[in-house]
Amino acid sequence: DIQMTQSPSSLSASVGDRVTITCRASESISTYLNWYQQIPGKAPKILIYRASSLHSGVPSRFSGGGSGTEFTLTISSLQPEDFATYYCQQSYSVPPFSFGPGTKVDMK
Amino acid sequence: QVQLLQSGAEVKKPGASVKVSCQTSGYNFPDYYIHWLRQAPGQGLEWMGWINPGTGATKYEQKFQARVTMARDTSIRTAYMELRTLRSDDAAVYFCARTLRAGLGARFDHWGQGILVTVSS
Repeated sequence: DIQMTQSPSSLSASVGDRVTITCRASESISTYLNWYQQIPGKAPKILIYRASSLHSGVPSRFSGGGSGTEFTLTISSLQPEDFATYYCQQSYSVPPFSFGPGTKVDMK
Repeated sequence: QVQLLQSGAEVKKPGASVKVSCQTSGYNFPDYYIHWLRQAPGQGLEWMGWINPGTGATKYEQKFQARVTMARDTSIRTAYMELRTLRSDDAAVYFCARTLRAGLGARFDHWGQGILVTVSS
């Protein structure tokens, strides 16, 4: 099974900051990588699919990149509603559908 | 619009079973796989399995294979997940979510709101 890791596990940032989260896969997954945002008490929402494609309705301040084993999620200018936990998920070798452990973005 | 509406919170004793539902609307039910995932308090997301509502075929994560059953009722566009022999570490929020495909490139594009399952004696 493919294992996913994320770094950092948490970060503190301010509104307007540029934020980058890294996700790594235990083996190459090409660009089959999705990103989700989860606000406490709510279900996850998809942000990015196939590493860099923005899901419908997601603000353009979110962007994704990478291929192979290393991927990034960038928020170009952090907004108040972006304080949340972010998860990556590989869709290359499924099942099982494996997720990273999450990166919590909180207010500095 | 697409909606996945889950049943309410459950409190169960260790050793009991729980059956939760996921009622869908806004799309053609047979066209999308329904997955079940769970999230223990303060933890990440864990995939449990999927059901193909069109055929009834299922695929379970190995660790749940012996204890889980997923089913559907196409007449009411609803998917079900039953977990048996509950343990304290089964306490979690259980989500249903849909994907267009079950393999390469699958993405969870709509989720239910989650069901809190408490396991306590």
